[in-house]
Amino acid sequence: GAVVSQHPSWVICKSGTSVKIECRSLDFQATTMFWYRQFPKQSLMLMATSNEGSKATYEQGVEKDKFLINHASLTLSTLTVTSAHPEDSSFYICRGGQDTEAFFGQGTRLTVV
Amino acid sequence: KNEVEQSPQNLTAQEGEFITINCSYSVGISALHWLQQHPGGGIVSLFMLSSGKKKHGRLIATINIQEKHSSLHITASHPRDSAVYICAVWRTGAQKLVFGQGTRLTINP
Repeated sequence: GAVVSQHPSWVICKSGTSVKIECRSLDFQATTMFWYRQFPKQSLMLMATSNEGSKATYEQGVEKDKFLINHASLTLSTLTVTSAHPEDSSFYICRGGQDTEAFFGQGTRLTVV
Repeated sequence: KNEVEQSPQNLTAQEGEFITINCSYSVGISALHWLQQHPGGGIVSLFMLSSGKKKHGRLIATINIQEKHSSLHITASHPRDSAVYICAVWRTGAQKLVFGQGTRLTINP
């Protein structure tokens, strides 16, 4: 199946700093990438949908100024958590694929200290 | 009520047992995924179904569109099958995946 490569797999950062998470589609063109957040023992929660060459669509309650999404090419989408706080500590994972396909990245475990 | 309900939420079994995880949904769908999430967090799509039945190795997935129900079966279960299994449906019209709450499966040696 198609591969989505996500980096980093884990990151620890200090409060107030920014963290960038990358998702690359390795063998297909990802015109759309979905970004999810998952708290321990909870289901995936869609944060935003990034579209190549246009603005991302954010779900209700997700701060677009805090979670910056860029999808500048057909193979790369990035999520930047700006001015991170401990409550942003979570598991973040991206998904690519056309229509009903579901190719997930490996996920990024973010810890803000 | 969630649009996608899974049962059971937790399941512990002995190695070799036959495992069944169920998923019911209440919305119109164009496809259903069974996903596997390992302790490290990575998620893999095991099956994508729109009708009938699919088999891959020891895994079997079925879907009944009329009854809005799907099952994932694992034959001859093994400790390495221990993971969270998630049912996710591609909701018609909404163009988004809707996830069940997951089933935490533990297979003891």
